[in-house]
Amino acid sequence: QKEVEQNSGPLSVPEGAIASLNCTYSDRGSQSFFWYRQYSGKSPELIMSIYSNGDKEDGRFTAQLNKASQYVSLLIRDSQPSDSATYLCAAGGTSYGKLTFGQGTILTVHP
Amino acid sequence: GAVVSQHPSWVICKSGTSVKIECRSLDFQATTMFWYRQFPKQSLMLMATSNEGSKATYEQGVEKDKFLINHASLTLSTLTVTSAHPEDSSFYICSAPSGGPNNQPQHFGDGTRLSIL
Repeated sequence: QKEVEQNSGPLSVPEGAIASLNCTYSDRGSQSFFWYRQYSGKSPELIMSIYSNGDKEDGRFTAQLNKASQYVSLLIRDSQPSDSATYLCAAGGTSYGKLTFGQGTILTVHP
Repeated sequence: GAVVSQHPSWVICKSGTSVKIECRSLDFQATTMFWYRQFPKQSLMLMATSNEGSKATYEQGVEKDKFLINHASLTLSTLTVTSAHPEDSSFYICSAPSGGPNNQPQHFGDGTRLSIL
């Protein structure tokens, strides 16, 4: 069974700090990886996508992928209270576009 | 950017009612769409893959006769929850890929919150 596991959280960081979110996946056939942010009562919003080993930066967000370790992470620099949400890690495999989601990590950024 | 519209956003109805949820890709064509269900404080669980012009593919444990999926055009998929009961109350979300590598990324609709009394 294909699984995506996230650090359980909840995670609480002070405003301005770095928030670190981690995710592992079991299916070595996974080829694409995503971080979604979900506010309470809303649908997921794509934050980052990463397809190859290494780091990918976009503004305050950096995604890291290590396929050998089957590990994906998301760093949020200069965390803001508006970053408080549930962060979902997802892995995609074949061309059919299916995504397997992790259980989510609740992040709270306190002023 | 790619936009997926989902309607209605909120439904409250009596037990035994059938409810139809629409998912539209507004500015792109989607031969495949996905339907997810999310219970409170849980992650998204894929229910089925909707395929334009053919039968949907259901995930293990999802009753295809209860959750009817129709993908009649390249921009519209519908999910009908037949004879809904309180345990079907959930947040239903559709998504569609906009044609990137491996059919990613997915673009999500705003979701439909279904409450069965």
